[in-house]
Amino acid sequence: EVQLVESGGGLVRPGGSLRLSCAASGFNFKTYIMNWVRQAPGKGLEWVSYISSTSSSIHYADSVKGRFTVSRDNANNSLSLQLNSLRAEDTALYYCARGDTGGSFKIWGQGTLVTVSS
Amino acid sequence: SYELTQPPSVSVSPGQTASITCSGEKLGEKYTSWYRQKPGQSPVLLIYQDTKRPSGIPERFFGSNSGNTATLTISGTQAMDEADYYCQAWDSSTIYYVFGPGTRVTVL
Repeated sequence: EVQLVESGGGLVRPGGSLRLSCAASGFNFKTYIMNWVRQAPGKGLEWVSYISSTSSSIHYADSVKGRFTVSRDNANNSLSLQLNSLRAEDTALYYCARGDTGGSFKIWGQGTLVTVSS
Repeated sequence: SYELTQPPSVSVSPGQTASITCSGEKLGEKYTSWYRQKPGQSPVLLIYQDTKRPSGIPERFFGSNSGNTATLTISGTQAMDEADYYCQAWDSSTIYYVFGPGTRVTVL
């Protein structure tokens, strides 16, 4: 079964840090682009970051550039997102999503919740 | 930054056709995808590359994209189609993704 499972979310104070992980299974992880997408409570979807299959190309949304860092470990089929200098507006459910044809996201995890609050 | 516009809500009677628009500058020159999200669930890909359906998505979901507007059409709408629908555009030259604000479909 093709699956993505996120972990690492939690409650963190403004200015704090958190590291999210995404475990992939059921497909050839090392050949796929991977992304992070977030959704604030009651709000819409927001693309956060992109990493190519070999990590040679990385991109971020302007809202997180300079604060978040995406990485992947193809040997262990895992994706990570390091969140630094967190703000209240970063509070959201963070999904990892597999990049597919035409810039689509075919496979999504169940999400991990990040809450930034004092 | 690039922005997409969707109507906040669309209402449709059971069995009728629902159309959801997604507008953006020269959107027809980009690939558009559509997702359905039900409460408490992760998004599901319905349409990719403007018109294509992933396996398992019924033929009653139809996508088009031209000019500044992409459209998702749901024919024979059912109660199970009640959900939030998001369009998403991809600019392959800049590797930039953007989602529309979402449209809530209500089946009355």
